Amino acid sequence: GQNIDQPTEMTATEGAIVQINCTYQTSGFNGLFWYQQHAGEAPTFLSYNVLDGLEEKGRFSSFLSRSKGYSYLLLKELQMKDSASYLCAVRDDRGSTLGRLYFGRGTQLTVWP
Amino acid sequence: DTEVTQTPKHLVMGMTNKKSLKCEQHMGHRAMYWYKQKAKKPPELMFVYSYEKLSINESVPSRFSPECPNSSLLNLHLHALQPEDSALYLCASSQDGTSGGPNNEQFFGPGTRLTVL
Repeated sequence: GQNIDQPTEMTATEGAIVQINCTYQTSGFNGLFWYQQHAGEAPTFLSYNVLDGLEEKGRFSSFLSRSKGYSYLLLKELQMKDSASYLCAVRDDRGSTLGRLYFGRGTQLTVWP
Repeated sequence: DTEVTQTPKHLVMGMTNKKSLKCEQHMGHRAMYWYKQKAKKPPELMFVYSYEKLSINESVPSRFSPECPNSSLLNLHLHALQPEDSALYLCASSQDGTSGGPNNEQFFGPGTRLTVL
């Protein structure tokens, strides 16, 4: 693997803000993706970062620091439907021309009323 | 159409059965992927097809046999599986396998929940 690390579980209340961190180690880094996966369903794409900085998309934002091997996903104005697993995935092109994704184990977020 | 479809949704098979999982996309994507996902674990890459050619086999046992009949279809043939092969099998596609950028994110199908008895 690519040593992708993210917390196993997080909890928060409706309307709050939560930040899910992801750290990684890879030598062929070519982008970091965040996916949301509800239980028993397919992962759905949330965000993509390849340059340092913050990408904002509605209630969701994602940040990347390449020098630190660090990203976070920020969820604002939490809703019950945001309860899901959030997967950090790193694209590693080392030794290959194909965009292989390496997934972290996922962070299970539970939003309480 | 931004959808990846997979059939069947659920499959129960014995260890001596032969079955196939099917995946289809009509987004013009030229890279297609098979992943295996166990409960509470991340997806694990099994195979990658790029322009209908198998480009990555992640040391998957030969009881799993992929096939890409054309650019829209991807099959996974199953034979003599073991109970530990029970998992959610996800198909994904992306624009192609070589370019970076947000337009090359992988779109996932809903998966086939496989149970091997």
